[in-house]
Formats: sequence, C-alpha cells, structure tokens
Amino acid sequence: ETGVTQSPTHLIKTRGQQVTLRCSSQSGHNTVSWYQQALGQGPQFIFQYYREEENGRGNFPPRFSGLQFPNYSSELNVNALELDDSALYLCASSLGTEEKLFFGSGTQLSVL
Amino acid sequence: AQSVTQLDSHVSVSEGTPVLLRCNYSSSYSPSLFWYVQHPNKGLQLLLKYTSAATLVKGINGFEAEFKKSETSFHLTKPSAHMSDAAEYFCVVSAFYNQGGKLIFGQGTELSVKP
Repeated sequence: ETGVTQSPTHLIKTRGQQVTLRCSSQSGHNTVSWYQQALGQGPQFIFQYYREEENGRGNFPPRFSGLQFPNYSSELNVNALELDDSALYLCASSLGTEEKLFFGSGTQLSVL
Repeated sequence: AQSVTQLDSHVSVSEGTPVLLRCNYSSSYSPSLFWYVQHPNKGLQLLLKYTSAATLVKGINGFEAEFKKSETSFHLTKPSAHMSDAAEYFCVVSAFYNQGGKLIFGQGTELSVKP
C-alpha cells in the first residue's frame, strides 16, 4: 500500500458530462501528478500540482483542469467528456521534485 | 525530447527461467530512467531507478537493470522468474531534468509466467 487513495474507483458518464476525480496524497507529500492510462497503453502525464499551483502540463486540452488543496489532496476535473476520455486515471504523490512517485490504484472512467 | 521504446509488447517465460525485458531510450541529457510494474487492478510500483550513480541498478524482488549509454538501452532482467512476476512492466524516463513527477512511459511489456 502506498498511502495514496483515489475516489471513486469506477465511474460511468455519458458524452458531454463533467466529472471530478479525487486523490489524497501520502502523508507529508506536497506534490501530486495526474496521469491518463488508456487501455493497452502506458500512462500519459496530464499535469502536476506543487503547493497548490500547477507545475507543468502535458499535451492535454484545457477541459482537463485540476486543483490542489492546502492539505495537498487534489482533484482532476474533465469537462465536456468525450468517448476517448475513457481510461484509467492515476494520481501519484511525491515530495517536492523527488523522482520517486507513489501511485494510487486509479479511477476507471467509462464514457458512453 | 525524451522518449523510451519497449521492444516487446509481450514476453512469455517458464517459471524458474531468466527474464529479459528490453527498453531503449532517447535523451538530450543524462537521463533518469525507471522501471515500474503494474499488477492487475493495482497501482504502479517502482522496481528500480537509475540516476547515474552506477550503471547496474538493483531493484526489488530480484530485478536489476543495466544502463548502457553506447547502446542507449536500459534492459530489465531477473535470473529466475516466479509466478508472481506476471504483470505489465513499464520503462520510464523523466521528461525534464531534475523535475520529478513528470514521467514519460513506454507502451509496456506484458510478462506471462508459465508453470
């Protein structure tokens, strides 16, 4: 167990809806990174939050947005869902710029 | 730009035989390289990390990897496979120098272990 928890574990939405995914980081970690893992693919970096500020973003459109709270937990929001957004969403916590990440088990999102 | 290529999408071995999972990388500077493992319905777990201290890196569960700059390779090996090693393995490189958390993953290699 990594101490990183994600909720919900599974979610079903329809195209055009909005979704919020949540992540609680490991105790003491102030950095959260989000990844999207499509079926049969490696995870892709969405963005990272460090001390409540976005600290780098991958090649994802603005309808993917996030927040980090003072307790360092984080949310990933996706607006105007598309079928291709169906994937496993992983969050990972770390301390500062350390390269060792601790991953949660993910949220499986299905868009119908 | 940083990238990794996993040369095999699927590898099948018999229990007790050696494991070799191949990875080539591309980097404009001395890279940080990782191997992660993902068991079904579980999160990603770090197996080992290379950050230029030593070219042969030992990880958890008997895995190790050798960094070969001349071949731009970072292959993962284990002398003797165990049934519990069956999982998806990802070769990973840091996207930016000294900026942890922003990782580029390979496509993955599924390891099957036959009794």
